[in-house]
Amino acid sequence: EIVLTQSPTTMAASPGEKVTITCRASSSVSYMYWYQQKSGASPKPWIYETSKLASGVPDRFSGSGSGTSYSFTISSMETEDAATYYCHQWSSTPLTFGSGTKLEIK
Amino acid sequence: QVQLKESGPGLVQPSQTLSLTCTVSGFSLTSYNVHWVRQPPGKGLEWMGRMRYNGDTSYNSALKSRLSISRDTSKNQVFLKMNSLQTDDTGTYYCTRSGWYFDFWGPGTMVTVSS
Repeated sequence: EIVLTQSPTTMAASPGEKVTITCRASSSVSYMYWYQQKSGASPKPWIYETSKLASGVPDRFSGSGSGTSYSFTISSMETEDAATYYCHQWSSTPLTFGSGTKLEIK
Repeated sequence: QVQLKESGPGLVQPSQTLSLTCTVSGFSLTSYNVHWVRQPPGKGLEWMGRMRYNGDTSYNSALKSRLSISRDTSKNQVFLKMNSLQTDDTGTYYCTRSGWYFDFWGPGTMVTVSS
């Protein structure tokens, strides 16, 4: 099983601040996927195939990485971005998720 | 438009079997894969298994001995059955469609395992 380790677990950012979340895989994966989840709601696709934005996702979001190291960036934090973000791989089964990064607004 | 909706009992007694239904609309089960993902309260996401467009299934090995996923294409439904439930099976259960990624999710159904 590929274990995905996200960091940080929680963080707070001020409006306008740059945010970076990392996701490390225990084995190499082809792509990384990212989902946003707000309290009481289903996860939403956010970034797919490492760097492609899902429909409706603002371009202040970006993703990068390869192999076992991936990152998720918000260029300028906005209040609506407060949520939990999960990385996800489906290079091999069982499909796995990171433990999540809870991002709060400062 | 694409929709998925989970339904199920809400409360299950320990050691009993959970049966959930995912009813889909706006797409064909013979064209897309449907997965089950669960989330314990306050915790992260766990992939449980999937029904592929061609009827094949695959399961998380951690749950494989207890889990079964099936479907009825005529009713646009995917089913989850999991036996020997314990309290740590409590959580929200989601069905989700995959194209290039998990592109549409149901609202989830909360399952509590308690006597």
